[in-house]
Amino acid sequence: QKEVEQDPGPLSVPEGAIVSLNCTYSNSAFQYFMWYRQYSRKGPELLMYTYSSGNKEDGRFTAQVDKSSKYISLFIRDSQPSDSATYLCAMSAVDNAGNMLTFGGGTRLMVKP
Amino acid sequence: KAGVTQTPRYLIKTRGQQVTLSCSPISGHRSVSWYQQTPGQGLQFLFEYFSETQRNKGNFPGRFSGRQFSNSRSEMNVSTLELGDSALYLCASSWTSGEETQYFGPGTRLLVL
Repeated sequence: QKEVEQDPGPLSVPEGAIVSLNCTYSNSAFQYFMWYRQYSRKGPELLMYTYSSGNKEDGRFTAQVDKSSKYISLFIRDSQPSDSATYLCAMSAVDNAGNMLTFGGGTRLMVKP
Repeated sequence: KAGVTQTPRYLIKTRGQQVTLSCSPISGHRSVSWYQQTPGQGLQFLFEYFSETQRNKGNFPGRFSGRQFSNSRSEMNVSTLELGDSALYLCASSWTSGEETQYFGPGTRLLVL
């Protein structure tokens, strides 16, 4: 079993919908949680970064972390066709001797006009 | 400010050959991490370099190696290529080691025939 699990999708929604993307993890040492967006044939782009539990909002994006359930979410409000991409969750542990990120497999999102 | 750049963008090699990939981090960033992305395994951490020293290493065979120069530019080398090494190789940079906000380059797509 992988340390970080993510539903691969594809997730297809109409424009304007609220999108919920989720990851579960097994390593309780993870303290830093990130969401990346990756367009086809591009590198991942950092969207949100959260430390420990709680919520963080940035424009149409809200990241939630529930460490007790080992579950993180990314919500996208008023989704746009330009949001169509693969969304990757990533995590790292405080005790890492460096910058090692552990990624979920990614969820492919399609927003239809 | 220019982003992370990687060269070459595309590469075709045959089994048994070796390959060297290059990464130039964002100006001022001193940590460079390398990741391999494949459809089956997703994004996996290879290694991280900071101040010309390898800080952390993922679970990859010794055929995968890297180095960092005094200007923070980094190279990774794969010797004795195997078909399974076909992947997108991504480089990410950050200001320092242990910083979770990493910024990715566009990647080098390697095809091994």
